[in-house]
Amino acid sequence: GAVVSQHPSRVICKSGTSVKIECRSLDFQATTMFWYRQFPKQSLMLMATSNEGSKATYEQGVEKDKFLINHASLTLSTLTVTSAHPEDSSFYICSATKPGLAGGSEQYFGPGTRLTVT
Amino acid sequence: TQLLEQSPQFLSIQEGENLTVYCNSSSVFSSLQWYRQEPGEGPVLLVTVVTGGEVKKLKRLTFQFGDARKDSSLHITAAQPGDTGLYLCAGVGAGSYQLTFGKGTKLSVIP
Repeated sequence: GAVVSQHPSRVICKSGTSVKIECRSLDFQATTMFWYRQFPKQSLMLMATSNEGSKATYEQGVEKDKFLINHASLTLSTLTVTSAHPEDSSFYICSATKPGLAGGSEQYFGPGTRLTVT
Repeated sequence: TQLLEQSPQFLSIQEGENLTVYCNSSSVFSSLQWYRQEPGEGPVLLVTVVTGGEVKKLKRLTFQFGDARKDSSLHITAAQPGDTGLYLCAGVGAGSYQLTFGKGTKLSVIP
């Protein structure tokens, strides 16, 4: 199997506070994890690539000081939204890469975290 | 930048009808994946296609990868209400783990 969990599933926080979201690969090791955000009725937008033991690579336009990513082990990556503002409210989804059976690699997604900043 | 054009964006059909969703790009992908996403949940991997011309079947779903590995299609036969959801195609470029997503096709199957 390839199960990825996320915690929490929903979080409401006040503007100016920080929120940490955890992403875990439960039954496989993932050297690479990805963080996406998804706005209503839109597709997934890649925010950053997280590699175990090294600094994350952020996509253009994503503030690395605002969205802190830590990939401390082969099964855990965390995303911390610092000094959250209402415009940060979104659906955050992580994925973990696992070598595919037919070659290449496959990404398995977590269930997502709904962040609401009030 | 690799782009994936997915069409149609919205599709509403009656139960029992057939449908096809398309993903097209000017870029070559080393592999292409199809996902289905329910509201408030993460995407669930349906299939990965790797070889040009490859056809894979998953019950009533048929996935095809173009010969040049630039396009793919998803065909659903005799659609059922349980097929309702957002279908996403995503391609992986050569030497990369990153996925390039299409904009998605929101499918509604009416009983």
